[in-house]
Amino acid sequence: AQKITQTQPGMFVQEKEAVTLDCTYDTSDPSYGLFWYKQPSSGEMIFLIYQGSYDQQNATEGRYSLNFQKARKSANLVISASQLGDSAMYFCAMREGERNDYKLSFGAGTTVTVRA
Amino acid sequence: ETGVTQTPRHLVMGMTNKKSLKCEQHLGHNAMYWYKQSAKKPLELMFVYSLEERVENNSVPSRFSPECPNSSHLFLHLHTLQPEDSALYLCASSQEKGEETQYFGPGTRLLVL
Repeated sequence: AQKITQTQPGMFVQEKEAVTLDCTYDTSDPSYGLFWYKQPSSGEMIFLIYQGSYDQQNATEGRYSLNFQKARKSANLVISASQLGDSAMYFCAMREGERNDYKLSFGAGTTVTVRA
Repeated sequence: ETGVTQTPRHLVMGMTNKKSLKCEQHLGHNAMYWYKQSAKKPLELMFVYSLEERVENNSVPSRFSPECPNSSHLFLHLHTLQPEDSALYLCASSQEKGEETQYFGPGTRLLVL
């Protein structure tokens, strides 16, 4: 079964506007971590933001925020004030289990294109 | 800080060639990973090393052979590859094998002819 689902293969957003990237996950483990990575055309995976399953507040990191809805098992990424440099592929990932579990499950990704 | 570096960035090889991919991390991490990213497929974890010991081998064909001589370096030795092995190979590292965040290198784009 798919552990991470990203339903939006591609999105267009106008510069300076906000965009929300959807991510839903599937796990029965009470302890897990959720990640978002950005992959520009150069190929490098750039870590953006992390949310732990026990975190009480939604994670924020600069223009990135994670809308964590635990009951719905969703962890959407919100990018505010989009910039041309935000054009890239975005991946949602999940780590299940306690801290000594290292396996990340990745979604299929969402391509974001920012228009001037 | 240069983080995680990978060489070469691009590689074209024939099916009978032998080549190696190199990864180096400058973050003082103890765990290193190899991932394969094929077109239209999610990232696939190939190998995990923790403190230079292999702790994961995800049913990867033997034509891929990893080597971790120390906690800063990771190699992926390639021999008799197939065209379907063409992909982006990403290296990552983390503080411990259970540390939350893995940091990735820029990847090696491999084309097997």
